[in-house]
Amino acid sequence: VLTQSPGTLSLSPGESATLSCRASQNIRSNFLAWYQQKPGQAPRLVIHRASYRATGIPDRFSGSGSGTDFTLTISRLEPEDFAIYYCQQYVSSPRTFGQGTKVDIK
Amino acid sequence: QVQLVQSGAEVKRPGASVKVSCKASGYTFTSYGINWVRQAPGQGLEWMGWISAYNGNTNFAPKFQGRLTMTTDTSTGTAYMELGTLTSDDTAVYYCARDYEGSGSLFEPWGRGTLVTVSS
Repeated sequence: VLTQSPGTLSLSPGESATLSCRASQNIRSNFLAWYQQKPGQAPRLVIHRASYRATGIPDRFSGSGSGTDFTLTISRLEPEDFAIYYCQQYVSSPRTFGQGTKVDIK
Repeated sequence: QVQLVQSGAEVKRPGASVKVSCKASGYTFTSYGINWVRQAPGQGLEWMGWISAYNGNTNFAPKFQGRLTMTTDTSTGTAYMELGTLTSDDTAVYYCARDYEGSGSLFEPWGRGTLVTVSS
């Protein structure tokens, strides 16, 4: 089970966001990804293997963590970054997602 | 560029089946698997399963075993997801998503989604 916190993060453009994803079991080899989803759109892969940015993702997005605790940091929030973020484990099947953290404009 | 184009919205009665298509373009279809992920209204993401476009091997989430079928048509570059014995709990947007860099476990890019509504 992946548990994300907080449920909602209210921030202003230019601020930094720190999102947490905690796993109930060790995620071997850091097989943990983050996705961004904007309203009415499909998700988009942001980070994989805990800390590797997906193709085309700006460097203000960074991931860290290992074992059971992982973090997505968005530095200098841009207007287009306000969205819901989901973590996903791919160390075992079935692949599972966290319940999401909404980053909204304060 | 890589594109996944999904079929249109469906309305189904409880107990019926639905078949959603996902037509791929912009890459060699048989080089990547296709995943299906669904999202109930206002809810999070749920992985349903994966199919290899190379050999048709599948891996399904246990909760869908027995009523989920995934197939591919390599001649048209299209993947299909069929879900049977529908209930109102299956009302959701269904997304197809290609394996990212051949990982078999990561999802990117995604189709735009197909809304399936189950209602009597």
